Amino acid sequence: EPEVTQTPSHQVTQMGQEVILRCVPISNHLYFYWYRQILGQKVEFLVSFYNNEISEKSEIFDDQFSVERPDGSNFTLKIRSTKLEDSAMYFCASSEPFTTEQYFGPGTRLTVT
Amino acid sequence: AQSVTQLDSHVSVSEGTPVLLRCNYSSSYSPSLFWYVQHPNKGLQLLLKYTSAATLVKGINGFEAEFKKSETSFHLTKPSAHMSDAAEYFCGSLSGTYKYIFGTGTRLKVLA
Repeated sequence: EPEVTQTPSHQVTQMGQEVILRCVPISNHLYFYWYRQILGQKVEFLVSFYNNEISEKSEIFDDQFSVERPDGSNFTLKIRSTKLEDSAMYFCASSEPFTTEQYFGPGTRLTVT
Repeated sequence: AQSVTQLDSHVSVSEGTPVLLRCNYSSSYSPSLFWYVQHPNKGLQLLLKYTSAATLVKGINGFEAEFKKSETSFHLTKPSAHMSDAAEYFCGSLSGTYKYIFGTGTRLKVLA
């Protein structure tokens, strides 16, 4: 069964550094998403992406964040100048057009020290 | 604003006994509601979804959930827990076209 994959599974970085979290969505999906979960808190929506542009973003998704689909398979989340409060589990998801079911990856645990 | 609340952060049950994971929602219109499960080192997997058809929704692995508008609840149940059910469970709601809103999750522990 096809699945969403994410790399790395765990990333440790120093405050102020840039990180890129990578996702490979399911191949025939056209909608892509990033969510995050700070330890002990809710899973929060960050951004949705379709047709090479952002469809919707939350108030969390400020200028520090960017997303990109650099080729036909990868979907990346870049965090510039990381802060301690960016430490969280980041989930990528994808979905087919005209369906509400999203398929999630296993997550990347980002630790900012 | 739409919100989802999972009432228990941890639930422990004995193998073979019923499971109840509680979820309440807040929405001004008829919501689309979901339950997802996450096993260690795996992605969130859809268990079941409610989209205004039957109020009792059956999902995978013997789980089901009942939509109760009067109680604004969508609790997840299973008659008999299995060791393999130990995982984190997330209740969620669709907000707008494609954005999910999730609760904080419930970690289910199944005791032998």
